[in-house]
Amino acid sequence: GAVVSQHPSRVICKSGTSVKIECRSLDFQATTMFWYRQFPKKSLMLMATSNEGSKATYEQGVEKDKFLINHASLTLSTLTVTSAHPEDSSFYICSARDPRTRLAGNNEQFFGPGTRLTVL
Amino acid sequence: DAKTTQPPSMDCAEGRAANLPCNHSTISGNEYVYWYRQIHSQGPQYIIHGLKNNETNEMASLIITEDRKSSTLILPHATLRDTAVYYCIVRVAGTSYDKVIFGPGTSLSVIP
Repeated sequence: GAVVSQHPSRVICKSGTSVKIECRSLDFQATTMFWYRQFPKKSLMLMATSNEGSKATYEQGVEKDKFLINHASLTLSTLTVTSAHPEDSSFYICSARDPRTRLAGNNEQFFGPGTRLTVL
Repeated sequence: DAKTTQPPSMDCAEGRAANLPCNHSTISGNEYVYWYRQIHSQGPQYIIHGLKNNETNEMASLIITEDRKSSTLILPHATLRDTAVYYCIVRVAGTSYDKVIFGPGTSLSVIP
């Protein structure tokens, strides 16, 4: 299947700093990517939909000024956690839909390996 | 997307078939049933999906009832590496509305 990568896999930062997480589709072009957050022993929560060349669409309750999303190319979306605080510590996961599978009648999404953010 | 209900946890003996149920009684005619799994501290992995016919691939089989109100994911010979949280999701396929909304899923423990 298609491959989605994330960088970094793990980051520790001080409170008040900003952290950027990258999501890349390695062997396909993704016009749409998705960002999720997952707290320990909880399910994934969709944060926003990242659209190439346009503004991201945020889910209700997610602060767009806190979680900046940029989708500047067809293979890269970035999530920046601004002025991070300990409560932002979480596992952040991105996903992308492979348009080739959509044409085949599938709608499979491929997920990245996740980024574990710890804010001290 | 229609809501689904799954048991919170299940155990399965290694080498045996793992049968994971999912109820989706409000599924619409154009909604597919998708299954993903998440091994601890990894991103979710697609397993299989179907509309109304039973489906099989190298990972699992998907059995959908005739009324489509429920389905069962079958791992034919569970191994320890199949220990994960399994998510059943119903969603419309082939549209621009591609959000995958996760419920709590079923935590499957494969026991030696």
